[in-house]
Amino acid sequence: AQSVTQLGSHVSVSEGALVLLRCNYSSSVPPYLFWYVQYPNQGLQLLLKYTSAATLVKGINGFEAEFKKSETSFHLTKPSAHMSDAAEYFCAVSGVDTGRRALTFGSGTRLQVQP
Amino acid sequence: DGGITQSPKYLFRKEGQNVTLSCEQNLNHDAMYWYRQDPGQGLRLIYYSQIVNDFQKGDIAEGYSVSREKKESFPLTVTSAQKNPTAFYLCASSIVGQEAFFGQGTRLTVV
Repeated sequence: AQSVTQLGSHVSVSEGALVLLRCNYSSSVPPYLFWYVQYPNQGLQLLLKYTSAATLVKGINGFEAEFKKSETSFHLTKPSAHMSDAAEYFCAVSGVDTGRRALTFGSGTRLQVQP
Repeated sequence: DGGITQSPKYLFRKEGQNVTLSCEQNLNHDAMYWYRQDPGQGLRLIYYSQIVNDFQKGDIAEGYSVSREKKESFPLTVTSAQKNPTAFYLCASSIVGQEAFFGQGTRLTVV
């Protein structure tokens, strides 16, 4: 079985401040991990993915995430927040070697960026 | 342009009615998925299909049905058995086990 926990349903930062969105996973097999962003009334867009290569993954829009097996974490960071980063962010896990190969999503974190 | 097209964008259903949401992809992906999104609950898997003419139930399949007669198409029917269908529905496709690509969603409202 696989699952994802996102700590904090809402995160608020000031423009220019560090963004840190937390994600912990549970998987019975080495996971593939993903971060997606969603703007209001739109679909999800892939930010970045971990597929067992480098543990530090760089994505679009200046975001990056680090896979830490010992902590079962895959936190998303961005050094300096921009107003356009305000959106909802979802962490997802895929257990490639399991019978179920659909992504399992966390409950999401809404990021607010204050001017 | 390659992508996933969901239609309609907005849909209204009367009590006791079945409605069908369309999802088409031209990415040549084998796998397709339907998710339901409610505020504060993330995305929950309704059905998925890894190959034509085969599909599996997800976590919340009750009151929904699907078909996969063509690789490009994966329509979702919301039946009258679904007691609380008001939600945002997202279709996605992928190479099996890889990242999913999403459509723009259909917002279904019961009137």
